[in-house]
Amino acid sequence: EVQLLESGGGLVQPGGSLRLSCEASGFTFSDYVMDWVRQAPGKGLEWVSVISGSGGETNYADSVKGRFTISRDNSKSTLYLQMNSLRAEDTALYYCAKVGRANKWDQFFDFWGQGTLVTVSS
Amino acid sequence: EIVLTQSPATLSLSPGERATLSCRASQSVSSYLAWYQQKPGQAPRLLIYDASNRATGVPARFSGSGSGTDFTLTISSLEPEDFAVYYCQQRSSWPPLTFGPGTKVDIK
Repeated sequence: EVQLLESGGGLVQPGGSLRLSCEASGFTFSDYVMDWVRQAPGKGLEWVSVISGSGGETNYADSVKGRFTISRDNSKSTLYLQMNSLRAEDTALYYCAKVGRANKWDQFFDFWGQGTLVTVSS
Repeated sequence: EIVLTQSPATLSLSPGERATLSCRASQSVSSYLAWYQQKPGQAPRLLIYDASNRATGVPARFSGSGSGTDFTLTISSLEPEDFAVYYCQQRSSWPPLTFGPGTKVDIK
């Protein structure tokens, strides 16, 4: 059974940093592109970042480029999102999501974690 | 950036009725469109990928159609558990991947 378990969210002041983690199980983690998607309270879904199965290729939404870094440790089946210079508008529930096909950049998401809440406020 | 527009914003229907949700793209996304269902307090759930393919375990009452810029998600006969928010998402041109703003299907 595929499981994605996010952690690391919390309350942080503007300008602060957090590192989110997403521990994966139930599939061969290194075979899959993985993404982060966020959802501000009461709002829709916003794509944040993507990383290849090897970790060698990454991409970001313009809203987080230069502030967030996606990475993965395939030996631990864990995805990360390092978030720096946080702003109030980064407040959201952050989901990790698995793409639907192995070894492909087919970015539809067949499994999602339950999310970890990041609140940026003074 | 490809902008997705969903209509209507809210659809008020009764159980057993047919639901027709629309997603329109600002430029062609070929068939690279997915639909998700999200219930309160839950993560999104994949329903349809590549415009018309049902995801594993999705009931046959859910169907997707369309290509290019115009897409439809149809729920043939609403069950009580189908009242939720539905999002479309394109993967044709990225970054960024984009989602529509959602259609809420609520009980009339």
